[in-house]
Amino acid sequence: KQEVTQIPAALSVPEGENLVLNCSFTDSAIYNLQWFRQDPGKGLTSLLLIQSSQREQTSGRLNASLDKSSGRSTLYIAASQPGDSATYLCATESYSNYQLIWGAGTKLIIKP
Amino acid sequence: GAGVSQSPSNKVTEKGKDVELRCDPISGHTALYWYRQSLGQGLEFLIYFQGNSAPDKSGLPSDRFSAERTGGSVSTLTIQRTQQEDSAVYLCASSSRGSRANVLTFGAGSRLTVL
Repeated sequence: KQEVTQIPAALSVPEGENLVLNCSFTDSAIYNLQWFRQDPGKGLTSLLLIQSSQREQTSGRLNASLDKSSGRSTLYIAASQPGDSATYLCATESYSNYQLIWGAGTKLIIKP
Repeated sequence: GAGVSQSPSNKVTEKGKDVELRCDPISGHTALYWYRQSLGQGLEFLIYFQGNSAPDKSGLPSDRFSAERTGGSVSTLTIQRTQQEDSAVYLCASSSRGSRANVLTFGAGSRLTVL
C-alpha cells in the first residue's frame, strides 16, 4: 500500500531564500506525481505534474523533480516571496486506479 | 461555471443528523472525485465517478456515506447519522479524462462540523 510522507510538516524562512520541500513515497510504481498548493479557505491548486517517465517539471520559480528509484520528489522554490506562504501537498497516482495518495503537506511561511 | 463549486461552504450539525454536500464540477469534465481532509492530515479518497461507468466507492469509510452524480454533472455526497469523527473538510475535484494524466481542479471545500 502506497504511503506518501512530507517532511517537515512546517517550514519558516525569510523572504528571498531558495528552498526545497520534500516528498517521499514507498511504492515506486507510480503513474505520476503532482504537487499542489492549498491556501486557507480555498481549494487546492495544481502546481506541477510529473509523469513517471519524466525527471522534472518547471513552472516559473517552481521546479519539481522525481526520482522513482529512491521514492522521492522535491519541489524547489526560487527567490521565495510572502505570497508563496501556503501548505504544499504532493500526491501520487498509481497505474491500477485513479485514486491519488496524498502526503499530509508542508506548511510554508515566508517571512517578509 | 469557471471552476468547481461546492456548497455549503460551512455546515454545523448535531450528531445523528443527516447532511448533504453538493459539488458542481466544471462543465464537460467527465471525472469527479470526493476527498476528505481531516485537520493536519492528507486528503483521504472517498469516491470517484467517471462518465457513465460504475463509481469507485472503495474509499467510503462506512455505509453511512453515499454519493450520487446526476446526469454526469452535479454530485451530492450524503452522510447519514453523522458522528463527530465525520468532522472534516470535504473536497470535490473534477478533471477531463481525455488522457490519463490530467490536472485536477478542486472546489473550495465544504467544512463539516458535527457537534
